[in-house]
Amino acid sequence: EAQVTQNPRYLITVTGKKLTVTCSQNMNHEYMSWYRQDPGLGLRQIYYSMNVEVTDKGDVPEGYKVSRKEKRNFPLILESPSPNQTSLYFCASSLGRRQGGLGSPLHFGNGTRLTVT
Amino acid sequence: AQKITQTQPGMFVQEKEAVTLDCTYDTSDPSYGLFWYKQPSSGEMIFLIYQGSYDQQNATEGRYSLNFQKARKSANLVISASQLGDSAMYFCAMREALGGGADGLTFGKGTHLIIQP
Repeated sequence: EAQVTQNPRYLITVTGKKLTVTCSQNMNHEYMSWYRQDPGLGLRQIYYSMNVEVTDKGDVPEGYKVSRKEKRNFPLILESPSPNQTSLYFCASSLGRRQGGLGSPLHFGNGTRLTVT
Repeated sequence: AQKITQTQPGMFVQEKEAVTLDCTYDTSDPSYGLFWYKQPSSGEMIFLIYQGSYDQQNATEGRYSLNFQKARKSANLVISASQLGDSAMYFCAMREALGGGADGLTFGKGTHLIIQP
């Protein structure tokens, strides 16, 4: 089954304790990205990757890191989490414009609900 | 200025009635795509429908149709014969051909639709 898998689904941590949220897709998509969703703000892009070893900042990158060493994986790293990073996080992938055109939809993982105390 | 505006934070609709969810967008790019996603209470993001800026006809997918008015820069989602299972958050999103964030989508803040029996 074609899917984007992110883990864990729920995560509670304390301020300053490094964490990684994993994301993997099995659709051979070039494009992958991370979003955070906060009430009243919709979804905002954190980082994205156009291909292996190519990553770039989205609209809200502060406090996050990513890496893209393999095409299928795109982990999100919070080196020193803070309470304002409490949010619902989504990983997404798509064929992208080069592979699939402007209308290629984003395929989302099921989300990771992170709480930082 | 917001690129995607959804003016209805919440809506209550009687079952079996048609629903129109509003979305206006702002872009100077002549080539862009508009997407609608559904987010049920379980949290996943489900792609519903796509409209390209050069498409001559309004997009339709089953009970979903997109009322695309290019001159007004609006892309309203119409759900015919609403069902209880349509209760969810609905997000309008845009991808610009020349936009930042590469192949990512810019999302509106969403409309919370509740279908009443």
